Amino acid sequence: QVTLRESGPALVKPTQTLTLTCTFSGFSLSTSGMCVSWIRQPPGKALEWLARIDWDDDKFYSTSLKTRLTISKDTSKNQVVLTMTNMDPVDTATYYCARVPITIFGGVFDYWGQGTLVTVSS
Amino acid sequence: EIVLTQSPGTLSLSPGERATLSCRASQTVSSSYLAWYQQKPGQSPRLLIYGASSRATGIPDRFSGSGSGTDFTLTISKLEPEDFAVYYCQQYGSSPPFSFGPGTKVDIK
Repeated sequence: QVTLRESGPALVKPTQTLTLTCTFSGFSLSTSGMCVSWIRQPPGKALEWLARIDWDDDKFYSTSLKTRLTISKDTSKNQVVLTMTNMDPVDTATYYCARVPITIFGGVFDYWGQGTLVTVSS
Repeated sequence: EIVLTQSPGTLSLSPGERATLSCRASQTVSSSYLAWYQQKPGQSPRLLIYGASSRATGIPDRFSGSGSGTDFTLTISKLEPEDFAVYYCQQYGSSPPFSFGPGTKVDIK
């Protein structure tokens, strides 16, 4: 059974750095073709892809946010960490992590976490 | 970078009716790497269709996807009450970014 769960602060101040952790089970990021992505969704708005990390430690970032994002993994803990620097109120959103089994379905997100709402406010 | 547009923004239909949702890409989506997701209020998105026309595991056959190149369609043959939701298309070609469309809301008429 595949599960993912996001964790991190619910509230951050402007200019602070956000650190989110995705803890997953039911698959391994050391398996060839397995990846994890982060996606966010501002309240009432559309989904926005942020970043992806692959089993071989390849990393990909949103063009518009890549200077602020860092994605990393701890395979032994089944965790993926996303950091976003210089947070702004426009970054208020629900942040999701999702599994990406490249060799099964291509780059789609087949399992999602429940999401964590992050509010940026002073 | 591929930009996706979806139409209409909102589709008002009755249960039992057919829903046709459109997704258009600003450039050719390679190998039909186009997916559709359903999202209900307060829930995470759910994968419906990948590869433009393949249904994900457990998705009812009233959902079908078609299209290639830059024009793609999601069809719901007969709307069930649980199908009223927001639908997003997403392209996942060989290189990032892996963009989403703005969504189409299917609501009850």
